[in-house]
Amino acid sequence: SQQGEEDPQALSIQEGENATMNCSYKTSINNLQWYRQNSGRGLVHLILIRSNEREKHSGRLRVTLDTSKKSSSLLITASRAADTASYFCATAFTGGGNKLTFGTGTQLKVEL
Amino acid sequence: EAGVTQSPTHLIKTRGQQATLRCSPISGHTSVYWYQQALGLGLQFLLWYDEGEERNRGNFPPRFSGRQFPNYSSELNVNALELEDSALYLCASNGLNLWSYTFGSGTRLTVV
Repeated sequence: SQQGEEDPQALSIQEGENATMNCSYKTSINNLQWYRQNSGRGLVHLILIRSNEREKHSGRLRVTLDTSKKSSSLLITASRAADTASYFCATAFTGGGNKLTFGTGTQLKVEL
Repeated sequence: EAGVTQSPTHLIKTRGQQATLRCSPISGHTSVYWYQQALGLGLQFLLWYDEGEERNRGNFPPRFSGRQFPNYSSELNVNALELEDSALYLCASNGLNLWSYTFGSGTRLTVV
């Protein structure tokens, strides 16, 4: 299976703290994307990082990519209760037929 | 601009029946992707349609099939339903920007 792994599977933090989740994958990639899913509904695209990039920022989000280790991390700074959701990484690789291959997800709970 | 719309939101079927799920992509998007998210599992790629043709298929049995219409909307058909087909089925679309996917809110299929 090409599916990646994410850790931790679940993360519980207090509002205002930072949340870090990690993703590992198995193949060479074209890019890696992070998505958020609220309450088992649709996915919302957060950020895309290309294979030749090492770090990317978007608002309170910071993504890193280490292609030598086939891993990525998503950092959410100053978390809010509204950040409570499941977060998935997804990879796209050359020859993959345009499909995204998703990781297993991290369930983040931000408590007041 | 309307997003990706899926119908119905919920669907309850009996084992052995057929289910039909529908997806309308964002206007201008020609590609439609289907994913299955079973409880406790990550998203599994099902099918990719582009310009009316099936371009790629995931590791699912032939009873999962679909089509794409001239207006780029798509149908996913699941025949001979089994209990393990119970899942959230997500549709996504993209256009010229191959790596930019927009997901719908999904159809939750329950097989009893």
